[in-house]
Amino acid sequence: DTAVSQTPKYLVTQMGNDKSIKCEQNLGHDTMYWYKQDSKKFLKIMFSYNNKELIINETVPNRFSPKSPDKAHLNLHINSLELGDSAVYFCASSRAATTQGYTFGSGTRLTVV
Amino acid sequence: GESVGLHLPTLSVQEGDNSIINCAYSNSASDYFIWYKQESGKGPQFIIDIRSNMDKRQGQRVTVLLNKTVKHLSLQIAATQPGDSAVYFCAENREGQGGKLIFGQGTELSVKP
Repeated sequence: DTAVSQTPKYLVTQMGNDKSIKCEQNLGHDTMYWYKQDSKKFLKIMFSYNNKELIINETVPNRFSPKSPDKAHLNLHINSLELGDSAVYFCASSRAATTQGYTFGSGTRLTVV
Repeated sequence: GESVGLHLPTLSVQEGDNSIINCAYSNSASDYFIWYKQESGKGPQFIIDIRSNMDKRQGQRVTVLLNKTVKHLSLQIAATQPGDSAVYFCAENREGQGGKLIFGQGTELSVKP
């Protein structure tokens, strides 16, 4: 069983479209994260939710909106996609807003054309 | 600003040799450091961690060294194997930052048979 699963694994879409990436964890963790990895493999945190509450919101365009329906799920919705949004997006989870048990998903490669 | 940097973007070693990957961090308040391994098409995987009250920590074939005086840490891999080929990241966490990881640039390790 995959601990942190993301769907889809690949996403190719046109500029201006709206798309969502879904993430689910079955580790019983309270906290979930979204990271973005650019073409140079630099990883940077975007958001974090703890028990469905937003606790980290980095400087990210407001076209990006995370949603956590419950503590096992954290989805990322992106409006009006731009070329610069092309990247690999990683979901992660951990226990109680700490680094305990930090586990990453396998990533979603988003390509905007 | 926040930064955890790596000096060498690529490292090529012969199978069986030892590998050393370096990382510099900028904030003396950093108190927890993690090394991650990322294989192609996968998310970062935890290798080893170290807290700021330690200088050295050993795992299976891996050792992390922390020098707080010069804000530097390194990952040593003994008897490097082809399966060690990947991108390696150091990441930093500071207490009270809600599980936020700050990643360095990454070093791509290539093991020659």
